[in-house]
Amino acid sequence: EPEVTQTPSHQVTQMGQEVILRCVPISNHLYFYWYRQILGQKVEFLVSFYNNEISEKSEIFDDQFSVERPDGSNFTLKIRSTKLEDSAMYFCASSEGGTLGPQHFGDGTRLSIL
Amino acid sequence: GDSVTQMEGPVTLSEEAFLTINCTYTATGYPSLFWYVQYPGEGLQLLLKATKADDKGSNKGFEATYRKETTSFHLEKGSVQVSDSAVYFCALSDVGREGGKLIFGQGTELSVKP
Repeated sequence: EPEVTQTPSHQVTQMGQEVILRCVPISNHLYFYWYRQILGQKVEFLVSFYNNEISEKSEIFDDQFSVERPDGSNFTLKIRSTKLEDSAMYFCASSEGGTLGPQHFGDGTRLSIL
Repeated sequence: GDSVTQMEGPVTLSEEAFLTINCTYTATGYPSLFWYVQYPGEGLQLLLKATKADDKGSNKGFEATYRKETTSFHLEKGSVQVSDSAVYFCALSDVGREGGKLIFGQGTELSVKP
């Protein structure tokens, strides 16, 4: 069964550095998402992406964050000048689209900011 | 705004016990409802879904019925196994929006003892 893959599984970075989290969505999917889960808290929506542009973003997704689909397969989340509070599990998801289609999630990248 | 509330965990059961994890939601329209499961060290996997009132989603012995009158989507299983130990997330989709985000509950940890 096709799956969403994320790399790396764990990223450790010094505060203030930039990080790029990578995702390969399922190949025929049209919508791409990033969510994050701070330890012990809810899974929170960050951003959705469709047709090469952001379709929706949350309050969390400020100027520090950006997303890109640099080629036909990868979907990246960049965090500039990381802060301690950016430490979380980041999940990528994709869906075929439509209001009923479920989202399929990757295994996540655990980001630790020191 | 839309929200999902789950019963707090952890829930500890003996093998073959009956499981109920309560989930209620608040939404302005009629969202699709989902249960996702997260096994230790893994990502979120779709367990089951329901897209309209009175629909019953089912998978792997788990069931949940979309109850519009009580705005609930409780997860049940008649006989749990040790392998069901995981964190379970109830979620709703953004109403009427193509490729809309998921809104998650806080997750309920289930631990099944032999």
